[in-house]
Amino acid sequence: AQSVTQPDIHITVSEGASLELRCNYSYGATPYLFWYVQSPGQGLQLLLKYFSGDTLVQGIKGFEAEFKRSQSSFNLRKPSVHWSDAAEYFCAVGRAYNQGGKLIFGQGTELSVKP
Amino acid sequence: GAGVSQSPSNKVTEKGKDVELRCDPISGHTALYWYRQSLGQGLEFLIYFQGNSAPDKSGLPSDRFSAERTGGSVSTLTIQRTQQEDSAVYLCASSFVLMRAGYNEQFFGPGTRLTVL
Repeated sequence: AQSVTQPDIHITVSEGASLELRCNYSYGATPYLFWYVQSPGQGLQLLLKYFSGDTLVQGIKGFEAEFKRSQSSFNLRKPSVHWSDAAEYFCAVGRAYNQGGKLIFGQGTELSVKP
Repeated sequence: GAGVSQSPSNKVTEKGKDVELRCDPISGHTALYWYRQSLGQGLEFLIYFQGNSAPDKSGLPSDRFSAERTGGSVSTLTIQRTQQEDSAVYLCASSFVLMRAGYNEQFFGPGTRLTVL
């Protein structure tokens, strides 16, 4: 069965420091991978996605993620964190549309940013 | 253009009452999804509508939950005889399905926070 694991429930980083959020997935075929961000009281906003091609994908707000098939990972990175990045981050794998297209989410990683 | 909208934004109800949650997808999007976000279970898929096909109801947690999509646009999620464990944020998403694409990005609404007392 497909699954997504985000090992870190909560991470605290200092403003200006680099960030890496981990994501591991289990999926039998070529995965469609996503990172979403959710600020308090807000819906989910797509940060970036990987469908195929270049394994390093760029997203909004200065985020990037690298797909590593050998490690079944899709870690999210940012070189310098801003206080406004404090939020909850969700990694997800999507099933092909002819299999329903639903997203399977990880449990989320809450990011705190200290001044 | 307008994004996915959901109403109400907050709903407080008493145990045993029925509730209806509404989702207006992005115009032209053929696929519509409902998800539930709760403290204990995280983000879970509930149901999926695509065009005129039969919906995928595999994520509905019980027969108290049902959903319909009228005219291929607006969707209503109904929970009958609400229980306290139904308290959660209910998120709706829509996407435009391209026949040649294996996957299509989903756009999410702000959610409806349901509290069952």
